Amino acid sequence: EDKVVQSPLSLVVHEGDTVTLNCSYEVTNFRSLLWYKQEKKAPTFLFMLTSSGIEKKSGRLSSILDKKELFSILNITATQTGDSAVYLCAVGKRGGGADGLTFGKGTHLIIQP
Amino acid sequence: EAGVVQSPRYKIIEKKQPVAFWCNPISGHNTLYWYLQNLGQGPELLIRYENEEAVDDSQLPKDRFSAERLKGVDSTLKIQPAELGDSAVYLCASSRDRANTGELFFGEGSRLTVL
Repeated sequence: EDKVVQSPLSLVVHEGDTVTLNCSYEVTNFRSLLWYKQEKKAPTFLFMLTSSGIEKKSGRLSSILDKKELFSILNITATQTGDSAVYLCAVGKRGGGADGLTFGKGTHLIIQP
Repeated sequence: EAGVVQSPRYKIIEKKQPVAFWCNPISGHNTLYWYLQNLGQGPELLIRYENEEAVDDSQLPKDRFSAERLKGVDSTLKIQPAELGDSAVYLCASSRDRANTGELFFGEGSRLTVL
């Protein structure tokens, strides 16, 4: 059975801190790993990773994938209160495009002013 | 570009009543998904459509849940009869086609409360 495990499940930090969110996976026919940010509404896309060791960056957020050790991390530097959200990791399988993703439970991140 | 539109946003019903959710995907997106998200959990796939064909419904509880996408655009998810454990957020998502990058675009969800 495919598994996506995120840690920690919740995290409280102060504004300005740097955080690292973890995602490990066990899936057959791995194709891609995606990170989403979910505030009170729909998950919004952050990154998609398919190759090991290549960092994806967007502003203060970055992510990298290790296909040998089967994990990914999402880093957020200089955190702001607007970064408070649930961060979801999802894994897609080979076999054609966006076959249903398998999601982890998410990391609930709270940034305190 | 308009996003994925879902309705209703909130629904409160008594157990054993029926309920239906509607989803309009992004224009031109052939693949449509219904996900279930319980509190504190990640989304779980219920059903995936390629155009009007349901290509993966293995996780859909078929005794009470049904879905349709008759013209390959809008979709409806129905629960009849609803049970207390069905209280959750029902998310609809779409993507362009099976050869895309894997990115799904989500609607804001329909939050169901069964009393």
